[in-house]
Amino acid sequence: DAGVIQSPRHEVTEMGQEVTLRCKPISGHDYLFWYRQTMMRGLELLIYFNNNVPIDDSGMPEDRFSAKMPNASFSTLKIQPSEPRDSAVYFCASSGAVGFYTDTQYFGPGTRLTVL
Amino acid sequence: DQQVKQNSPSLSVQEGRISILNCDYTNSMFDYFLWYKKYPAEGPTFLISISSIKDKNEDGRFTVFLNKSAKHLSLHIVPSQPGDSAVYFCAALPPGQGGKLIFGQGTELSVKP
Repeated sequence: DAGVIQSPRHEVTEMGQEVTLRCKPISGHDYLFWYRQTMMRGLELLIYFNNNVPIDDSGMPEDRFSAKMPNASFSTLKIQPSEPRDSAVYFCASSGAVGFYTDTQYFGPGTRLTVL
Repeated sequence: DQQVKQNSPSLSVQEGRISILNCDYTNSMFDYFLWYKKYPAEGPTFLISISSIKDKNEDGRFTVFLNKSAKHLSLHIVPSQPGDSAVYFCAALPPGQGGKLIFGQGTELSVKP
């Protein structure tokens, strides 16, 4: 398996523009997670899905952020409009399940977003 | 409000010596903890975990210790190797919340030859 795939790897945009980050989870995994990494706060969970359904979006910072998972093999994280403070590395991760808990989470390589 | 804290942003250790990375948590209900390792330009990868029913878990050169009364865990790497140089994240899995991991800020370990 190729692992979790994210695109683009780098994104530079101007304030006010829409940004869409993409993720393909590992085949067969039924959990998908979106994280944001910053120096100040480390890795923060933004939202996670189970079987394509959003379970917890309490980490989504503002209404400017939205995430979708139209099918088991694809998810998007959209920021509209983007702001300089959104600059960070965004990771997607996926996992299977072990009972009520998820199994080990496998992370993609991340998308480094810079908003000018 | 950081529920999982790694108070040392960086640590430098000589090759062959022990590296000790620390992590504190605030919620005594947390019952499962993990360490992830991250190299530059890569995503974090799982390293080792520990359940709250244990106070130690060992995997090769890596050992995690859990002190529930102090709400503290540590990762020991013995002996440290230059390839261990990376950012290490501590994470906690709150009970009853499925897969919602709470991560610390990370500690950057540098192992010098």
